Amino acid sequence: GQQLNQSPQSMFIQEGEDVSMNCTSSSIFNTWLWYKQDPGEGPVLLIALYKAGELTSNGRLTAQFGITRKDSFLNISASIPSDVGIYFCAGQWNNDMRFGAGTRLTVKP
Amino acid sequence: NAGVTQTPKFQVLKTGQSMTLQCAQDMNHEYMSWYRQDPGMGLRLIHYSVGAGITDQGEVPNGYNVSRSTTEDFPLRLLSAAPSQTSVYFCASLAGGEQYFGPGTRLTVT
Repeated sequence: GQQLNQSPQSMFIQEGEDVSMNCTSSSIFNTWLWYKQDPGEGPVLLIALYKAGELTSNGRLTAQFGITRKDSFLNISASIPSDVGIYFCAGQWNNDMRFGAGTRLTVKP
Repeated sequence: NAGVTQTPKFQVLKTGQSMTLQCAQDMNHEYMSWYRQDPGMGLRLIHYSVGAGITDQGEVPNGYNVSRSTTEDFPLRLLSAAPSQTSVYFCASLAGGEQYFGPGTRLTVT
């Protein structure tokens, strides 16, 4: 089956720093999505990408759909304490959606 | 809109017991799905449905049954619970490429 490799597994950064995380796959997807999950909650969609090469921003977040359709990255600029959480990438192919294992982000004030 | 709702929030079962996790959405989405989330493994798709009367298997369907008699509801059934099914379960609905998750059900099987 399709597997997603998400890295890094965890990050400890200082408030104000920029963050970058990425996902790669051995298979292609026709949609890439990035989610954030807070403790005890369901994931919340941050950014959805629908076309290879697409670069999309949502406030301080920027994500790109890789040109090969096998990868995606998420950047967070000027991190703040409320950015703490687990970030998941997800790739969708038709009706099947696969998730990465997540990147746990800790922001030190 | 309430979005996606799930009940119960917490459940403890003994091995061999059966139960149904409830999921409902009020957004008239055709596509609904169930995931389980285990530490370090992200979310894995159990079953999904593209509309009332239509269901299909995801990545980890064994031990789970689903049905979709209405657009709004998509229950997940465990017929004979096993400790390996201890997990957090999320229901989701999808429209226009955007997926909305419920708050989750934390299930422990002893």
